[in-house]
Amino acid sequence: GQNIDQPTEMTATEGAIVQINCTYQTSGFNGLFWYQQHAGEAPTFLSYNVLDGLEEKGRFSSFLSRSKGYSYLLLKELQMKDSASYLCAVRDLDSGYALNFGKGTSLLVTP
Amino acid sequence: KAGVTQTPRYLIKTRGQQVTLSCSPISGHRSVSWYQQTPGQGLQFLFEYFSETQRNKGNFPGRFSGRQFSNSRSEMNVSTLELGDSALYLCASSLGTGGNTGELFFGEGSRLTVL
Repeated sequence: GQNIDQPTEMTATEGAIVQINCTYQTSGFNGLFWYQQHAGEAPTFLSYNVLDGLEEKGRFSSFLSRSKGYSYLLLKELQMKDSASYLCAVRDLDSGYALNFGKGTSLLVTP
Repeated sequence: KAGVTQTPRYLIKTRGQQVTLSCSPISGHRSVSWYQQTPGQGLQFLFEYFSETQRNKGNFPGRFSGRQFSNSRSEMNVSTLELGDSALYLCASSLGTGGNTGELFFGEGSRLTVL
């Protein structure tokens, strides 16, 4: 099985930067994903990391350290519409193409 | 390109009944995964189908089952419903083969309430 941990809730101010951390334990790591889910909507793909380092995509960046079992999602220039749940998910070789998700971090962006 | 379509979007059942949920994946996607989402447990993996075969299964009781048809459409069934089965059931499709990130595309979900 896998343990995927991320903070339950975070609050940040519009225009600021926020970092959402995710730690995981898995025997056959095969990729880490971040998804965004607005209330009442489907999760949507944000980023994918399989090698160590930083992947940047506009205002969003995701970092991975496989040796530490650690990832973070960095959101810059926060906007009100970034208020959502952010889900960290890990793919394990033993699980094929299935993703195992953390419980999600609910981010509230305040004016 | 049409997204993942799930039906029905909302349904109410009583304990002991059974329910069937349907999912139509994105055209060309051969893998369909099912997840149960609840406030307390988050997204939990139920099973994955690829080319009509169950390729992976999560840790759910046998009351939860599924199948995939030759056109990649999938159904999941829950028998002998319990109150704890009340949840949002999400379907996700992907290409399901190597050489890509394996990104999942989710449908809007079927919200099941068991009374």
